[in-house]
Amino acid sequence: GAGVSQTPSNKVTEKGKYVELRCDPISGHTALYWYRQSLGQGPEFLIYFQGTGAADDSGLPNDRFFAVRPEGSVSTLKIQRTERGDSAVYLCASSPGGSSYEQYFGPGTRLTVT
Amino acid sequence: GDSVTQMEGPVTLSEEAFLTINCTYTATGYPSLFWYVQYPGEGLQLLLKATKADDKGSNKGFEATYRKETTSFHLEKGSVQVSDSAVYFCALSGAGGATNKLIFGTGTLLAVQP
Repeated sequence: GAGVSQTPSNKVTEKGKYVELRCDPISGHTALYWYRQSLGQGPEFLIYFQGTGAADDSGLPNDRFFAVRPEGSVSTLKIQRTERGDSAVYLCASSPGGSSYEQYFGPGTRLTVT
Repeated sequence: GDSVTQMEGPVTLSEEAFLTINCTYTATGYPSLFWYVQYPGEGLQLLLKATKADDKGSNKGFEATYRKETTSFHLEKGSVQVSDSAVYFCALSGAGGATNKLIFGTGTLLAVQP
């Protein structure tokens, strides 16, 4: 079946601009996660959705970052007033939820802020 | 807070050599432990997991045993192949609370030479 997909695969934007990154999880997965991976580092947790609600947004670095999942499926990560330090690969993962800890990752969106 | 520490790379081995990548963790609860692999140009893939102490996860010839007494989850393979060249990430999840977010180490680059 189809895996997690993310669009766009690459995004180049100017400092100060607004960007949206999209994630399509595996069908039927109720849990959805966003991570950020900087060069040479492991992924860092940003936010977790269970269904439509953000159950844990403790990893969002500041209020320029926001994410939604209005229908409990597709999610959008939104970054306002982008800064060069936001440049990274943004990863989305989904999980069946419940007691399953296994997360399935998408290919990521590489964001470059110039 | 919870954290994962893994040996720095790169690790360079000849084909058929024995592989060990060390991973230790700090967690307040009883986490599940994972090894993820990132092949060149591909997304993160779950390699193996263990959900409780003394469990052994295994896949594709790789093994790791959950050692609570030493808070370790070292990755081993008896005979590596060139195709095993990738970045390996140790991670934990579910140490406390219901988020199930993954906490990753910084990754270890493995390069296997023919």
